[in-house]
Amino acid sequence: AQSVTQPDIHITVSEGASLELRCNYSYGATPYLFWYVQSPGQGLQLLLKYFSGDTLVQGIKGFEAEFKRSQSSFNLRKPSVHWSDAAEYFCALSLKAAGNKLTFGGGTRVLVKP
Amino acid sequence: GAVVSQHPSRVICKSGTSVKIECRSLDFQATTMFWYRQFPKQSLMLMATSNEGSKATYEQGVEKDKFLINHASLTLSTLTVTSAHPEDSSFYICSAPDRRGASTDTQYFGPGTRLTVL
Repeated sequence: AQSVTQPDIHITVSEGASLELRCNYSYGATPYLFWYVQSPGQGLQLLLKYFSGDTLVQGIKGFEAEFKRSQSSFNLRKPSVHWSDAAEYFCALSLKAAGNKLTFGGGTRVLVKP
Repeated sequence: GAVVSQHPSRVICKSGTSVKIECRSLDFQATTMFWYRQFPKQSLMLMATSNEGSKATYEQGVEKDKFLINHASLTLSTLTVTSAHPEDSSFYICSAPDRRGASTDTQYFGPGTRLTVL
């Protein structure tokens, strides 16, 4: 069965510093990959997605992610973090064969220090 | 992007009562919607897939008689928590894939419903 792992439960970063969130997946082929952000008490907002093609994907709010097939990874990055980026981030995959149901990683909580 | 709404955003009920949560796709039609449950500081767990005009598909371990799902139209799915108990207290989130254009496999999420059962 497919799975998604986010190794870091918490990350603390200073405002203005760069941020990288790790995501590894387990699946025999290339799934569809997503990053979502969740602010406290809110639903999930899509940051970016990868279906195929260019392995460097640009998203909203200045985020980007790079798909690396050899490492089964889809890490999220932002060059300069803003205080408003403090939130929970979820990596997820979906499989067309499974009716596009999403499988989520455990999430990474990002804290931003002033 | 596509917009999904949920109502209510927050509900408090007494143990033994039933609670209905609505999920609507506002600017697109959704033949399929998904219902998730999220415990504090945890990830989302898929409960069921709601299919317009047919029965919902439940994930393993989810009680279908406890969590009734009705997908009566192309823009509305409802989740009813029957005979709610304190252990049903959770954050319930729905999502729907927007199949317009090229974004056929992207799901959009509602803002969630916080259920507290006393």
